[in-house]
Amino acid sequence: DAMVIQNPRYQVTQFGKPVTLSCSQTLNHNVMYWYQQKSSQAPKLLFHYYDKDFNNEADTPDNFQSRRPNTSFCFLDIRSPGLGDAAMYLCATSSEVTGGPADTQYFGPGTRLTVL
Amino acid sequence: GQNIDQPTEMTATEGAIVQINCTYQTSGFNGLFWYQQHAGEAPTFLSYNVLDGLEEKGRFSSFLSRSKGYSYLLLKELQMKDSASYLCAVRDSNYQLIWGAGTKLIIKP
Repeated sequence: DAMVIQNPRYQVTQFGKPVTLSCSQTLNHNVMYWYQQKSSQAPKLLFHYYDKDFNNEADTPDNFQSRRPNTSFCFLDIRSPGLGDAAMYLCATSSEVTGGPADTQYFGPGTRLTVL
Repeated sequence: GQNIDQPTEMTATEGAIVQINCTYQTSGFNGLFWYQQHAGEAPTFLSYNVLDGLEEKGRFSSFLSRSKGYSYLLLKELQMKDSASYLCAVRDSNYQLIWGAGTKLIIKP
């Protein structure tokens, strides 16, 4: 089955210790997104890639970086995690971003990050 | 600013019908999405509306009125597994997806 996979599902890190979260997709979608979601809040878009074109949201802290080495994989790097970065990190993909049903985003299961 | 409003929480009875409302104020409109999110899990796609009217998909239906900036998700024959949060999201004229905070639906036997 075509899907979006995230690893690990649960990640524990220490304050200030770099951490990398990974996402892969078998949907062959052009667009990959990273969201941060805290309890009972809306998902917050951090950035997205259209193919290799990187799009950073204006309010995404510099502490968050991303890499997309190929169509299938995308990584979220948190350079110096703080206590406020504890959240669920969601990866999503879509075929397009230009309107219509092809914009539909499909999510991976998420990685829950704990910062000690 | 852009805004999406949904009730924070709703309670309904197993077997009943519930309507979850979503109102939006966005810079333009290029489609509205409904997602279901179980606790601790990722959102899963439910429906997409871009034209006014009702879209039916099994027990779930979604309605859109662009002139009123309003949508609702209608869930029929409620089952316990429908207990989840339901998120409304609108794509604006810049193709940014604006998310609501979600409505937590509690189903009671």
